[in-house]
Amino acid sequence: AQSVSQHNHHVILSEAASLELGCNYSYGGTVNLFWYVQYPGQHLQLLLKYFSGDPLVKGIKGFEAEFIKSKFSFNLRKPSVQWSDTAEYFCAVNSFSGGYNKLIFGAGTRLAVHP
Amino acid sequence: SAVISQKPSRDICQRGTSLTIQCQVDSQVTMMFWYRQQPGQSLTLIATANQGSEATYESGFVIDKFPISRPNLTFSTLTVSNMSPEDSSIYLCSVGPGLGADTQYFGPGTRLTVL
Repeated sequence: AQSVSQHNHHVILSEAASLELGCNYSYGGTVNLFWYVQYPGQHLQLLLKYFSGDPLVKGIKGFEAEFIKSKFSFNLRKPSVQWSDTAEYFCAVNSFSGGYNKLIFGAGTRLAVHP
Repeated sequence: SAVISQKPSRDICQRGTSLTIQCQVDSQVTMMFWYRQQPGQSLTLIATANQGSEATYESGFVIDKFPISRPNLTFSTLTVSNMSPEDSSIYLCSVGPGLGADTQYFGPGTRLTVL
């Protein structure tokens, strides 16, 4: 079965620090990969996605992620975080099984940015 | 992206009762999904609801406990039956356009507390 691992459960940074959140998945075939963000008190929002093509994908709010097939990784990065980036971040992989697409989520990484 | 609303946004229920959660989408979608997010944990798929057919449940979830209706292409309900405190979670509705390279969009969630 497919699975998604997020290595950091809690990350604390100061504003302007660089961010990298790890995500690894277990599946050898074609994958669609996603990062979702959940700001405090808000619902889950799509941050960025990778389907095919350029392995470096750019999302909203200055986030980007790089798909490295050989490492089964899809790490999320941002060169300079802001206090407003405080949120929980979920990596997800699309699984096609039983005739349906479904998302498999990682455990999430809770990011706290201090001013 | 689709605009998704859920009712109720939160509820506090007594053990042994049932609660029906509604999910409304502002456009027609093929696939609707129901997830559970237990306190401090990631999202777990409960079932996939395709209009005109029976819902497909994930391992660990059964129709008697979580009956789902999907009467048309913009609406679905999830019922949490015979509730216990272990059912206290956020329940999220999600929609995807169909088979293939989907992007799923999520509703605001229903926060359920069972006493």
